[in-house]
Amino acid sequence: DADVTQTPRNRITKTGKRIMLECSQTKGHDRMYWYRQDPGLGLRLIYYSFDVKDINKGEISDGYSVSRQAQAKFSLSLESAIPNQTALYFCATSEGQGPRNQPQHFGDGTRLSIL
Amino acid sequence: DQQVKQNSPSLSVQEGRISILNCDYTNSMFDYFLWYKKYPAEGPTFLISISSIKDKNEDGRFTVFLNKSAKHLSLHIVPSQPGDSAVYFCAASALGSGNQFYFGTGTSLTVIP
Repeated sequence: DADVTQTPRNRITKTGKRIMLECSQTKGHDRMYWYRQDPGLGLRLIYYSFDVKDINKGEISDGYSVSRQAQAKFSLSLESAIPNQTALYFCATSEGQGPRNQPQHFGDGTRLSIL
Repeated sequence: DQQVKQNSPSLSVQEGRISILNCDYTNSMFDYFLWYKKYPAEGPTFLISISSIKDKNEDGRFTVFLNKSAKHLSLHIVPSQPGDSAVYFCAASALGSGNQFYFGTGTSLTVIP
């Protein structure tokens, strides 16, 4: 079983619809992240959470919201989807302990297409 | 503005030879750097890291070099194997940034048997 699971893996929807992408992890990590990947732009951070009560905006949070329902669950919502939100979305986790930054562990991604 | 850049979108190398992937950054506060490897339909997987107190870190066939004055890092794979064919991302973060990483755009490596 995957340590970081994203659902759904693929989604096609229409402009204006509300979409929720879900992420769950069994790694026991405190920190969770949502990224999007666009061709030629690499991965960009949307939101991150250090624990259930701590949510932070990333580089490109406009048009998105998140919910940290439990230590193991972090969901990303598009309240009213628009075509330029078509992208590959990744959830990631990392440990929260220690003085140094830690590598992040990624799920396999959700490919979202908005028509 | 792209703070981490990978200027070569693709690279082809013969099996057994050395692969060198390059990455440049602009933010002098970055002090921790990672390389990730990504296969199609999978998420990136962590490969190797280096902190700014070092200029080299080795793990088996993989070595990362850091040149702080040039704000440049490189990943060397020796010898290259067909299974190394993947997209490689470099990423950088600054201490105190809350583990926020900035990613490059990736280099697609093809190792030819």
